[in-house]
Amino acid sequence: QSVLTQPASVSGSPGQSITISCTGGSSDVGGYNYVSWFQHHPGKAPKLLVYDVSEWPSGASNRFSGSKSGNTASLTISGLQAEDEADYYCSSFRGDYTLVFGGGTKVTVL
Amino acid sequence: QVHLVQSGAEVKKPGASVRVSCKASAYTFTTSGISWVRQAPGQGLEWMGWISGPIGNTNYAQKFQGRVTMTTDTSTTTAYMELRSLTSDDTAMYYCADGGPRGLFADWGQGTLVTVSS
Repeated sequence: QSVLTQPASVSGSPGQSITISCTGGSSDVGGYNYVSWFQHHPGKAPKLLVYDVSEWPSGASNRFSGSKSGNTASLTISGLQAEDEADYYCSSFRGDYTLVFGGGTKVTVL
Repeated sequence: QVHLVQSGAEVKKPGASVRVSCKASAYTFTTSGISWVRQAPGQGLEWMGWISGPIGNTNYAQKFQGRVTMTTDTSTTTAYMELRSLTSDDTAMYYCADGGPRGLFADWGQGTLVTVSS
């Protein structure tokens, strides 16, 4: 059972924007600005999209943006494209110097 | 850019141990350290723990404490993850990633499939 709660699935049409939530508590998401988001296509290694809540790693697309309010972090995908269909995971630093992932969200492009 | 190369697939019997390797660049070893993440069939990502580069300090997820050991060989810039007392629940793809519990995993290994079956 994941400590961080994500919706099981989110869908949208090409060109639309969708948002995925990631809810934790004060000992992880709410307590630290160390939330990351990953895209995972089956059979491939996960890809870092956003780190430190809202920072982009080198080479990442700015169609993926992160934010946080209280104990909930969010990833917004703008201008949804067919290739965005994948599983998405949030992660957060925890106060005991460990990391926890969310349960994952399957994004479907209609 | 960091390049992480993992060892090949393994098939183990219940109760056995497995050791997976991850060869990294020298930069990763001296700065970011290496985390290990696994994904069981049909399940999500699961962080197993982290070993820092310079000193080799480790921090394991509570679930794996007592059953996992992460080490590094600085002479070959290779990280190792050993998991003991395997059960079928340990059947998974195991990944190494550069970085610690901050989650700045910009680079990942290609994954190593570990199958536990009698």
